[in-house]
Amino acid sequence: QVQLVQSGAEVKKPGASVKVSCKASGDTFTRHYIHWVRQAPGQGLEWMGLINPYDDTIDYAQRLEGRITVTRDRSTSTVYMELSGLRSEDTAVYYCARERAVAGKDFDDWGQGTLVTVSS
Amino acid sequence: QSALTQPASVSGSPGQSITISCTGTSSDVGTYNHVSWYQQHPGKAPKVIIYEGSKRPSGVSNRFSGSKSGNTASLTISGLQAADEADYYCCSYAGGSTPYVFGGGTEVTVL
Repeated sequence: QVQLVQSGAEVKKPGASVKVSCKASGDTFTRHYIHWVRQAPGQGLEWMGLINPYDDTIDYAQRLEGRITVTRDRSTSTVYMELSGLRSEDTAVYYCARERAVAGKDFDDWGQGTLVTVSS
Repeated sequence: QSALTQPASVSGSPGQSITISCTGTSSDVGTYNHVSWYQQHPGKAPKVIIYEGSKRPSGVSNRFSGSKSGNTASLTISGLQAADEADYYCCSYAGGSTPYVFGGGTEVTVL
């Protein structure tokens, strides 16, 4: 069954922030690291960050440090990714992905993706 | 952390075998046994087809196989089928300041 459901498409102006949500079902929220990966139009995948469900520690890609924030809301089993200081090159489909349990270090389930368009 | 290097495209005829390479460094592919491969059809989310270098998730065809030698991982698709036309991405755990790195992707065409 569907484990990760993301929020809908967003259009933002340069300099603004965007917050994308990823609702997790089952034991996904409590037992799996959740990662964020993005894909610019016609381009490859880029790892952005992750959140550890056991202690809420986070890890971010160095090139996004200072602009990305990943958080969790336990009351709604939802993970959020906020990206600030948006630029045109941040236009992309943003995915949340579940890491395989027991430190698998691969992504065995993905959300459907959220298109974020940055345009003036 | 630089992206892993993959060929931009690979093609083959139905029934043939093809291999996609994924070259990293001693800081990622060469050190960790955590290389995964993803298949992505247009407009769809990626799907894992190989993890931990050579393991197949349940439900993935045994026509897909993975291996590693030194700093290079490889994905082999045997008995190529039309449904295998897709983009394929490798990913390696790398530790450090950016712990995961993807390859640039390979477009597979079935002739």
